[in-house]
Amino acid sequence: KAGVTQTPRYLIKTRGQQVTLSCSPISGHRSVSWYQQTPGQGLQFLFEYFSETQRNKGNFPGRFSGRQFSNSRSEMNVSTLELGDSALYLCASSGEPGPHSYNEQFFGPGTRLTVL
Amino acid sequence: QKEVEQNSGPLSVPEGAIASLNCTYSDRGSQSFFWYRQYSGKSPELIMSIYSNGDKEDGRFTAQLNKASQYVSLLIRDSQPSDSATYLCAVNDLLGNEKLTFGTGTRLTIIP
Repeated sequence: KAGVTQTPRYLIKTRGQQVTLSCSPISGHRSVSWYQQTPGQGLQFLFEYFSETQRNKGNFPGRFSGRQFSNSRSEMNVSTLELGDSALYLCASSGEPGPHSYNEQFFGPGTRLTVL
Repeated sequence: QKEVEQNSGPLSVPEGAIASLNCTYSDRGSQSFFWYRQYSGKSPELIMSIYSNGDKEDGRFTAQLNKASQYVSLLIRDSQPSDSATYLCAVNDLLGNEKLTFGTGTRLTIIP
């Protein structure tokens, strides 16, 4: 099975702009979660989508939003970019829980966003 | 505020020795526990998951869970230089809830 894919891999934007990141989960996985990783804050949960619905949301401002399509692909959008939004944005997918595989999440390679 | 604590290291271990990584969590209702390995410049890679008290072994890796003490650990036997990475502990509070809370990670260096 192919792994989680994310595009683009690298992105440079300026303050005030907006950005859209894309994630394709492992085939058959319906849950997609997004995380932000920075040296100072570590890995922080942004939100999770399942069957096109946001099921969970982390403590991020409303500038961060996402959506999921019927084929389980997901996008996240950050509007009005700030310098502090520079980070590695990671997408993770998980499949149906089994007797020994609850909630296992598999990460994509990430999108490195730099805000200038 | 649910917390996951790890010793940030760096932890240096001679090649061939056992590396022991520790993690404590604050939410007693936590249900599932994961260890991820992250090489510099790469994304986290799942290496172990554990849900029940006790030990779970997979090759050179053993995860240990003690829910009463709110403690989970990862042992790496016969450590290899390729094991040098940051190890992230992650905790999930509810089955079916995909939100993972991560520790800050322990940087492990295997010395040849």
